[in-house]
Amino acid sequence: DTAVSQTPKYLVTQMGNDKSIKCEQNLGHDTMYWYKQDSKKFLKIMFSYNNKELIINETVPNRFSPKSPDKAHLNLHINSLELGDSAVYFCASSPFGRSEQYFGPGTRLTVT
Amino acid sequence: RKEVEQDPGPFNVPEGATVAFNCTYSNSASQSFFWYRQDCRKEPKLLMSVYSSGNEDGRFTAQLNRASQYISLLIRDSKLSDSATYLCVVREGGKLIFGQGTELSVKP
Repeated sequence: DTAVSQTPKYLVTQMGNDKSIKCEQNLGHDTMYWYKQDSKKFLKIMFSYNNKELIINETVPNRFSPKSPDKAHLNLHINSLELGDSAVYFCASSPFGRSEQYFGPGTRLTVT
Repeated sequence: RKEVEQDPGPFNVPEGATVAFNCTYSNSASQSFFWYRQDCRKEPKLLMSVYSSGNEDGRFTAQLNRASQYISLLIRDSKLSDSATYLCVVREGGKLIFGQGTELSVKP
């Protein structure tokens, strides 16, 4: 049973396209996150939601828009994809107020 | 200056060796500290939390020095399966700040 799942696992698309990545957790956690890991392996937080409310929004282009339909799901929509968006995007979740985060398997996005 | 800095890798060690990783963080108000492990092309997983008093989990020992803003991880009797990237992580407010990671390769 996968705790944090993401779809798709791989995404190859052309510049200018719009794409979405979905994330679901079955751990009953209240808080979910999106991270970006670039080619230099730095893992940086993008967004955090607690019970469907946005609580962290790092300096991320407006082309990135997270959506949380319920506390078990956090999706990421990206408009007008650029070459620099190529990276691995990880979803994560944690119990509210706790530091330990559980990561999904990642979505490897390649923009050509 | 990076918020969390780690030793550059890779560390190549033989099985059975003891290896130590170091990490420094820039924000003295950081609240919690962790080591995560990331296998190649996989997601990060929590290895252990780090406490000021130092803590041990089997072959792994973590230390924190708040005055020096320094965190360490010691792996004793390293195994082939320890080969991975080790990420130093600090918590600031509601978010985790990750270091770049140190790659460890344990050879037979």
